[in-house]
Parts: sequence; structure tokens; C-alpha cells
Amino acid sequence: DSGVTQTPKHLITATGQRVTLRCSPRSGDLSVYWYQQSLDQGLQFLIQYYNGEERAKGNILERFSAQQFPDLHSELNLSSLELGDSALYFCASSVRGANSGNTIYFGEGSWLTVV
Amino acid sequence: SQQGEEDPQALSIQEGENATMNCSYKTSINNLQWYRQNSGRGLVHLILIRSNEREKHSGRLRVTLDTSKKSSSLLITASRAADTASYFCATGVRNAGNMLTFGGGTRLMVKP
Repeated sequence: DSGVTQTPKHLITATGQRVTLRCSPRSGDLSVYWYQQSLDQGLQFLIQYYNGEERAKGNILERFSAQQFPDLHSELNLSSLELGDSALYFCASSVRGANSGNTIYFGEGSWLTVV
Repeated sequence: SQQGEEDPQALSIQEGENATMNCSYKTSINNLQWYRQNSGRGLVHLILIRSNEREKHSGRLRVTLDTSKKSSSLLITASRAADTASYFCATGVRNAGNMLTFGGGTRLMVKP
């Protein structure tokens, strides 16, 4: 158990819909990361927050947004869903950032299936 | 584009044998981390090696880093069927934000 908690574990929704994925980081971790894993794209970095502020942005679509709340939990919002958005979405956390030499711990992921 | 590339993409060995996976990357790094992923599950952190380190050990795992060749290797000794998983290297890159960039992974199968 990494200490990073993600909900829901599985989600099936229709195209055009909107979903919210939730993440609770490890106790004491200030950085939260979101990654998308799909068969054709591998593990892609989406976005990072540190202590409530956006710190780095990767290949995140405009239809997707995220935020980190004062209690440090984070949510990833996916809207106008398309079939190609079906993937495993990971949240990860660390004390600071990867470049600080901190280990980054991953949750079990949220399986999203868009039908 | 991916910063790290693992080699081989797939590896099949017998239980008790050693497994070596390699990772090459393109730009200067601050650190490199290896992860294991069982099918459809989360990523489990194995080892972090910093750019000023050359070798680290953790149990049956040995990681080396050669920054001059921009490469790293993960050695699993005396493999077990439970080691069957995908293994990923991930790099923390200077001047590229604070995230990790992952390679495509090596799928390891250990046959009992």
C-alpha cells in the first residue's frame, strides 16, 4: 500500500459525459501528480500540483482540468468524454518534486471506460 | 515523446535466473526511478538512484546508472514467478518541471 488513495477504482460512462476522479496523497506529501496510462500512449504525465498551486503541465487536454484543495487532496475532471479517453488514470504524490530527488508514490489508479 | 526507453520490450526467463532490463534516456537527469507494475495495477516504487550515484541495491535488486552513456540497468537476481510484471524506468529531468517521465516498460515473465 503506497498510501495514495484513488476513487473510484472503476468507472464506466458514456461519450459526452463528465467524470471526476479523486485522489488523497500520502500523509505529509505536498505534490500531487496525475498520469494517464493507455495501451497506445503508455504512461503520460498530465499535470502536477504543489501545495495547491499548479507546478507543471504535460499532455493534458483542454477538456481535462484538475485542482488541489487546501487539505491537499486533488481532483481530475474529465469532460466531453470520448472513446479515446478510456484509460487507467493514476494519481501520485511526493513530499516535493521529482527534481528534489523525492520518491514519487503511485495510487492503484482509476479505470475509466468510455462507451 | 518518451524520455526513457527500456530494452528489451519483453523478457521471458525461468525461475531462478537473473533478469536484466536496460533504460536509456536522452537528456541530463537529476534522478532515475524504477517501478514495477503488475497487470492493471498501480506502480510500485522499487529504487531511486540520483545522478551522482553509480549503483544501488535493494534486496534482490541492483540498479546501475551511467550518466556518460545516459543509461541505467535493473538487475533482478534469483527471479521468482512473483516477479512477473512490467518494469518502468522514470527520469526526473533538469529544467523540465518536477514530474517523472516514463519509458515504455519491459514486460518480464518468469516461468516457474
